[in-house]
Amino acid sequence: EDQVTQSPEALRLQEGESSSLNCSYTVSGLRGLFWYRQDPGKGPEFLFTLYSAGEEKEKERLKATLTKKESFLHITAPKPEDSATYLCAVRGPVSIKAAGNKLTFGGGTRVLVKP
Amino acid sequence: GAVVSQHPSWVICKSGTSVKIECRSLDFQATTMFWYRQFPKQSLMLMATSNEGSKATYEQGVEKDKFLINHASLTLSTLTVTSAHPEDSSFYICSASRDRAYNSPLHFGNGTRLTVT
Repeated sequence: EDQVTQSPEALRLQEGESSSLNCSYTVSGLRGLFWYRQDPGKGPEFLFTLYSAGEEKEKERLKATLTKKESFLHITAPKPEDSATYLCAVRGPVSIKAAGNKLTFGGGTRVLVKP
Repeated sequence: GAVVSQHPSWVICKSGTSVKIECRSLDFQATTMFWYRQFPKQSLMLMATSNEGSKATYEQGVEKDKFLINHASLTLSTLTVTSAHPEDSSFYICSASRDRAYNSPLHFGNGTRLTVT
């Protein structure tokens, strides 16, 4: 069974204080690791897809990296508008039981950036 | 980007009644849609996979007679919570992929907040 663990659960940052979020995963045959941002009362918003160890993706102040066991989401010089819950999810191998392209999510990291 | 629309955004109902939630893919066709449930300060838990033209696939522990799913067209899936009880109060979110590629992300609707009184 696919497992995803995110840490820390919550992170309080001062504006401009860079930090990293961790996503550890266990899956046999990774078909993709996904990062999402979720604002309160909203559905998750897609940020990145990573597939291969060593792969990196960037978008504004966010950078995602991937190893064989974990992924990091680096937030560089965050601003208050970066405050949100960041979710990591994995897509495992296709199997008879697996439901197509479903994603298994971690518990998320709630990020609060104070001005 | 792909757009998934959910309706209603919130609903309050009395215990014992049924509630229908709609999920539409606005700019693409989706043969498969996924229904997730999220409790406060918790992550998303997959409830079921909605398959166009065939029966839904439910995750272990999810009552299929309580959470009825219908995927009647390539752009519409509905989730009906039957005989709702207060413990069914939650945030329900649907999602779909634009295509079947292994690295194709799921795009999510904005969720439906269900409160059962």
